[in-house]
Amino acid sequence: NAGVTQTPKFQVLKTGQSMTLQCAQDMNHNSMYWYRQDPGMGLRLIYYSASEGTTDKGEVPNGYNVSRLNKREFSLRLESAAPSQTSVYFCASRPGHGHNQPQHFGDGTRLSIL
Amino acid sequence: QKEVEQNSGPLSVPEGAIASLNCTYSDRGSQSFFWYRQYSGKSPELIMSIYSNGDKEDGRFTAQLNKASQYVSLLIRDSQPSDSATYLCAVKTSNAGGTSYGKLTFGQGTILTVHP
Repeated sequence: NAGVTQTPKFQVLKTGQSMTLQCAQDMNHNSMYWYRQDPGMGLRLIYYSASEGTTDKGEVPNGYNVSRLNKREFSLRLESAAPSQTSVYFCASRPGHGHNQPQHFGDGTRLSIL
Repeated sequence: QKEVEQNSGPLSVPEGAIASLNCTYSDRGSQSFFWYRQYSGKSPELIMSIYSNGDKEDGRFTAQLNKASQYVSLLIRDSQPSDSATYLCAVKTSNAGGTSYGKLTFGQGTILTVHP
């Protein structure tokens, strides 16, 4: 039971480089989410996809783009990485029907921008 | 701006005691409330969810919800050193049109330390 799988687990980039973080879920969930977690700030929503074919901005979308490739996969792209994007990135998914369903998280990607 | 507030702690309790974690939220339209536990360097894992006013118990964990006062709490009875972690309160808020698409707003987390 893989659940939500994120790749890579760790990455170091130089300022200005581009990078795509991958996320896949095998639970047949409709909704998927990308968060970043910084010390003392909890998790902040970057982008989400309510269902296949749709994406929308969250609380902190600047500097990021997303693609909902199919129902399973939701990728996050940094076009020109900046040191302020150094963070831990979590992908999550949720069935998408009914307001009481929790989100399930992947193991995270630890990203450092030098 | 819809906010979720937690005391960042750290909260330190002795083994066997009751740990009480609190969370307040600003959006009166919030419908669902979740507590996640996050060990250092790991991802958040769901431990409790609550949707109706009152108490909900699951083993050593009790979630309490008071929508009128806009707070939700988590009690951990017989605390163990293995409970030492950061506890995240998450609230499912609503858009202006009433649809949230399951989006959660998280508090900053409370660090709990249970010492032997």
